[in-house]
Order: sequence, then C-alpha cells, then structure tokens
Amino acid sequence: KQEVTQIPAALSVPEGENLVLNCSFTDSAIYNLQWFRQDPGKGLTSLLLIQSSQREQTSGRLNASLDKSSGRSTLYIAASQPGDSATYLCAVRSGGNNRLAFGKGNQVVVIP
Amino acid sequence: EAGVAQSPRYKIIEKRQSVAFWCNPISGHATLYWYQQILGQGPKLLIQFQNNGVVDDSQLPKDRFSAERLKGVDSTLKIQPAKLEDSAVYLCASSRGVQEKLFFGSGTQLSVL
Repeated sequence: KQEVTQIPAALSVPEGENLVLNCSFTDSAIYNLQWFRQDPGKGLTSLLLIQSSQREQTSGRLNASLDKSSGRSTLYIAASQPGDSATYLCAVRSGGNNRLAFGKGNQVVVIP
Repeated sequence: EAGVAQSPRYKIIEKRQSVAFWCNPISGHATLYWYQQILGQGPKLLIQFQNNGVVDDSQLPKDRFSAERLKGVDSTLKIQPAKLEDSAVYLCASSRGVQEKLFFGSGTQLSVL
C-alpha cells in the first residue's frame, strides 16, 4: 500500500522568500505524481503533474522535481506572495488499480 | 470550460438519516471520482468510475454508502444511514483518462449530529 508523507504539517514564511515543500512516498513504482493547492472551504486545484519518466515540471513561479529512486518530490515556489497561503497536497498514482494516494498536506502561511 | 459541479454545498443531518450528493463532471471526462476528506487529512478515494463502470470501490463502506453514474455522465453518492464519523467534505473529481490531471469540484461539507 502506497504511503505518502508531507512534513512539516504547517509552516510560515515571510513574503519574498522561496518556499520548499517536500513529499515522500514508500513505493517507487509510480505512474505519476501531482501537486495540488487547496484553499479553505474549497476543492483542490491541480498545480503540476509529473509523469514517472520525467524529472521535473515548471509553471510560472512553481517548479516540482521527482526522484523516484529515493521516493521524493519537492515543490519550489519562488518569491512567495501572501496569495500563496494555502494547503499544498502531494498525490501519487501507483499500483495495479491506478489509485491516487494523497498526503495530509503542508499548510503554508506567507506573512506580508 | 465549465468546471466540476457539486451540490449541495453544505448539508446538516441527524445520525441514522440518509443524504445524497450530486456531481456533474467536466464534459468529455470519462473518469469520475468520489473522495472523502476529513478535517486535517488528505482526500481518501471512495469510488472511481470509468464511463459508467466501477473501477475501484474497495474503500467504499458498502453497508451504508452507494454510488452510481448513470449514462456515464452525472453521478450521485448516497449515505444511508449516516453515522457521526461520516462528517467530512465529500469531493467529486473528474479527468479525461485514468492517469491524467484531476479537476475537483468545491465539495459538499456534511455535518452529522
């Protein structure tokens, strides 16, 4: 069974600093990995999807890397802004049933 | 492009009552998912449909939960009877295919008293 871990559960950073969020998973035989953003009381918004054959994906200020062999992914958010305050969830698709397993998320507060 | 639509937005019921949630996925998306998200946790898959067939319902408590996707488009999730521990946000998501990007609705927040 795939286990996805995101530590720390919560963090705060001053505006302008780069954000680094980590995700680890137990089974390296994955199909892909997605990073999502969730605002309070809202659904999830997909930020980046990395296929198992890729090492990284970039979108604007966001960059996500994938190291399957070590079971890790990192989401970088450059020059953080107060609008980046949200919970960021990592999800890994793996297994014969193609199930997407989620971590519990990193709750981020960017302080103006 | 319209997003995933869910209703109702909020629901409060007493334990042992029944409740139903509705989801309309993005047009053309063959795969539809229902997730349960308890406060402070990541979403947990309840059931996954490919068109109108069930792909994965291994984590669905079938003694009280049921779901259907008629004609491979809209879907409903029902709980009967509800328990206190069913209090959670129920999220619907859809994707073009099984390994593609997921798009989520805003969810239904259920409180069971």
